Amino acid sequence: DVVMTQSPLSLPVTLGQPASISCRSSQSLVHTDGNTYLSWFQQRPGQSPRRLIYKVSDRDSGVPDRFSGSGSGPDFTLKISRVEAEDVAVYYCMQGLHWPWTFGQGTKVEIK
Amino acid sequence: EVQLVESGGGLVQPGGSLRLSCAASGFTFSVYWMSWVRQAPGKGLEWVANINHDGTEKYYVGSMEGRFTISRDNAMTSLYLQMDSLRAEDTAVYYCARSPATGTVDTWGQGTLVTVSS
Repeated sequence: DVVMTQSPLSLPVTLGQPASISCRSSQSLVHTDGNTYLSWFQQRPGQSPRRLIYKVSDRDSGVPDRFSGSGSGPDFTLKISRVEAEDVAVYYCMQGLHWPWTFGQGTKVEIK
Repeated sequence: EVQLVESGGGLVQPGGSLRLSCAASGFTFSVYWMSWVRQAPGKGLEWVANINHDGTEKYYVGSMEGRFTISRDNAMTSLYLQMDSLRAEDTAVYYCARSPATGTVDTWGQGTLVTVSS
């Protein structure tokens, strides 16, 4: 199975400051169609996951533009330009190229 | 509004069976791949199974293959997960999710809790 390794696993951040989460894949995530199937999800406490980013850097509708995704195999990054209180959550990267699709371990973002 | 509503979770003894359902609404269910993803208490997300739009292709995570069966009824706009030979380690919240295209999911249900315990 493709292993997705996130770092850090815990990220204390000051409100208004930037945050960055890394995700590394153990195999290439580039499809023959040229797309890279790497997504990011946010899971707030007590809620279902919500997709933020797909195909590395495409932001979902309604997702604040302070969230951005970047990278190319094997390293990918989710950045929050200025952390707000509502961003407290666990963030997961996910690869959707190789079955079984796999998630990273999750990064818990909390306010200092 | 796109909605996925899971049901069927509960307490079951080891070795028992349970059938989860996911009622879909607000979109054309029959053209989407669908998935089941689970999350053990306090743990991360784990894929369970995928099914294509007409139910002719199914994929399972290795540890669940042979024990779990994913299926769908497009006329009823519903997704199912039949779980047999349940183990304590299958205890988790089970989420139904929609795949708008290959390689990702964009909508999740609220989840249903399955507890395997004697």
